[in-house]
Amino acid sequence: QKEVEQDPGPLSVPEGAIVSLNCTYSNSAFQYFMWYRQYSRKGPELLMYTYSSGNKEDGRFTAQVDKSSKYISLFIRDSQPSDSATYLCATQYNNNDMRFGAGTRLTVKP
Amino acid sequence: DAGVTQSPTHLIKTRGQQVTLRCSPKSGHDTVSWYQQALGQGPQFIFQYYEEEERQRGNFPDRFSGHQFPNYSSELNVNALLLGDSALYLCASSLAVRGDSTDTQYFGPGTRLTVL
Repeated sequence: QKEVEQDPGPLSVPEGAIVSLNCTYSNSAFQYFMWYRQYSRKGPELLMYTYSSGNKEDGRFTAQVDKSSKYISLFIRDSQPSDSATYLCATQYNNNDMRFGAGTRLTVKP
Repeated sequence: DAGVTQSPTHLIKTRGQQVTLRCSPKSGHDTVSWYQQALGQGPQFIFQYYEEEERQRGNFPDRFSGHQFPNYSSELNVNALLLGDSALYLCASSLAVRGDSTDTQYFGPGTRLTVL
């Protein structure tokens, strides 16, 4: 079993839709949770960074962490074609060893 | 403010050869981590360098080695290349924080290595 599971998609939505991306993880020791966005042939770009359980909002993006169920989510409101990318969830111990999901490829159609 | 930079952008090698990839961290960062990202997969942690020493290592063979220089830049070396080493190699930099706090890692654009 992988430490971080993520549905690879692909996911296709119309412009303006609300997008929900999800990951599960297996190790309760993980304390830090990140979402990265990766455009084709580029390096991952940090979108959201959260510690422990709870919600964090940044513009059209909301990250949720539920440590009791080991479930992390990213919501994108009013999705735009420019949001089309691969979204990677990641978890981290104190020692900075990040574990990534496989990534979900999202396409937002105009 | 320059972000993380990596060179070269692309590289083609043949099996058995050796390769060196380079990374310059974001200004103000002192820690460099290297990741391997195979096509369609998430990045996998190779190792992390801090204060010119390997601080942590993932599940990669000894063919993968690295170095960090006094200016915090870093190199990743891979010996005896295999076809399976073909991937995007990502460098991420961060600022070390004492105690229980952790660092946010920022990625460079990556080096795409093709092994023929």
